[in-house]
Amino acid sequence: DTAVSQTPKYLVTQMGNDKSIKCEQNLGHDTMYWYKQDSKKFLKIMFSYNNKELIINETVPNRFSPKSPDKAHLNLHINSLELGDSAVYFCASSQGRGGPPQETQYFGPGTRLLVL
Amino acid sequence: DAKTTQPPSMDCAEGRAANLPCNHSTISGNEYVYWYRQIHSQGPQYIIHGLKNNETNEMASLIITEDRKSSTLILPHATLRDTAVYYCIGPGAGNTGKLIFGQGTTLQVKP
Repeated sequence: DTAVSQTPKYLVTQMGNDKSIKCEQNLGHDTMYWYKQDSKKFLKIMFSYNNKELIINETVPNRFSPKSPDKAHLNLHINSLELGDSAVYFCASSQGRGGPPQETQYFGPGTRLLVL
Repeated sequence: DAKTTQPPSMDCAEGRAANLPCNHSTISGNEYVYWYRQIHSQGPQYIIHGLKNNETNEMASLIITEDRKSSTLILPHATLRDTAVYYCIGPGAGNTGKLIFGQGTTLQVKP
């Protein structure tokens, strides 16, 4: 069984469109994250939710809106897509919300977004 | 945020130990050091973490210097499947759950 799954795996879309990426974890974890990996392979956290509560919100354009319907799901909606949004987006989850020691984060396989 | 510095790339012969260094001179007293790796096109995978003492698990060993300013990840018998980018990570301020990924070290294990 896949622990952290993401859909779709690949997403090709036009500039200006609105798209969503979905993430689900079956580990019973309380915290979920979204990371972005750009073309230079830099991996940067965007958001995290703990039990549907937003706890990390990095400097991300407000075109990006995370939504957590329940603690097993964290979706990422992107409005008015731009060329610079092309990247690989990874979802992750952890048992707790951080604090020493940091809980191990389990990552999904990634969603490869290409904006044309 | 605890900044880390790693060599951009390293080679290792298959079957030999791979020793990956990391400098984290700004790490604070209660911040852990974490190691993750990313095999090509996959999501990052947790390897090990430590605070002060050396740690070992089924994947690797972590040696942390007494002053905690640097550490070394050791893969005791590297295989071709260990070829990946290895990230030494200091968490965000206050251990909030924010992992700060740097450029990492690309480890190439050669036959």
